[in-house]
Amino acid sequence: NAGVTQTPKFQVLKTGQSMTLQCAQDMNHEYMSWYRQDPGMGLRLIHYSVGAGITDQGEVPNGYNVSRSTTEDFPLRLLSAAPSQTSVYFCASSYSLGTGAYEQFFGPGTRLTVL
Amino acid sequence: AQSVAQPEDQVNVAEGNPLTVKCTYSVSGNPYLFWYVQYPNRGLQFLLKYITGDNLVKGSYGFEAEFNKSQTSFHLKKPSALVSDSALYFCAVRAVGGATNKLIFGTGTLLAVQP
Repeated sequence: NAGVTQTPKFQVLKTGQSMTLQCAQDMNHEYMSWYRQDPGMGLRLIHYSVGAGITDQGEVPNGYNVSRSTTEDFPLRLLSAAPSQTSVYFCASSYSLGTGAYEQFFGPGTRLTVL
Repeated sequence: AQSVAQPEDQVNVAEGNPLTVKCTYSVSGNPYLFWYVQYPNRGLQFLLKYITGDNLVKGSYGFEAEFNKSQTSFHLKKPSALVSDSALYFCAVRAVGGATNKLIFGTGTLLAVQP
């Protein structure tokens, strides 16, 4: 199994550009999520999904869109990039059956710089 | 509201000495608690979790954590530190009975083990 994969690894954008960060998992996990990691702030949840066709906002959703058309894929779209979105982005997935405690599996991250 | 506090930005310890990385939490009801480790330029890796039962939880790489309900703490420990343990450590919490697998992460503690 490849686990959780993310592309690209690095990206530089100009202010106002749009782009999509890709995330895929091959573990048949229901739950997928996007975090951003900034120095001194830990990981903050952007959006999450509990299954295909179901998404919801996390702690810091502004400026980002998501969709979940399949169980495997959960892309994150930046509509109009801003310097404040310079960060490292992590995708994660886990089982989500009932109310069990399932550890999340993380991808390797995408380092995004917005100029 | 759920929250996690990691009061130390950095912990320094000599190789061979015991280490403790502190975590306190706030959640309505009983918690699920997790520790993750992040090595440089990598995604987060799961170390251990507390669900219920024995307050001392054993995890990967010789780490363990002690759940203390009265002090709302879940400190990470290891009897003898290795230089290779140097990394960024995150504590995370989820409320039992929550509808999803949403985790709240602390801000992280950098562990530096000196040879």
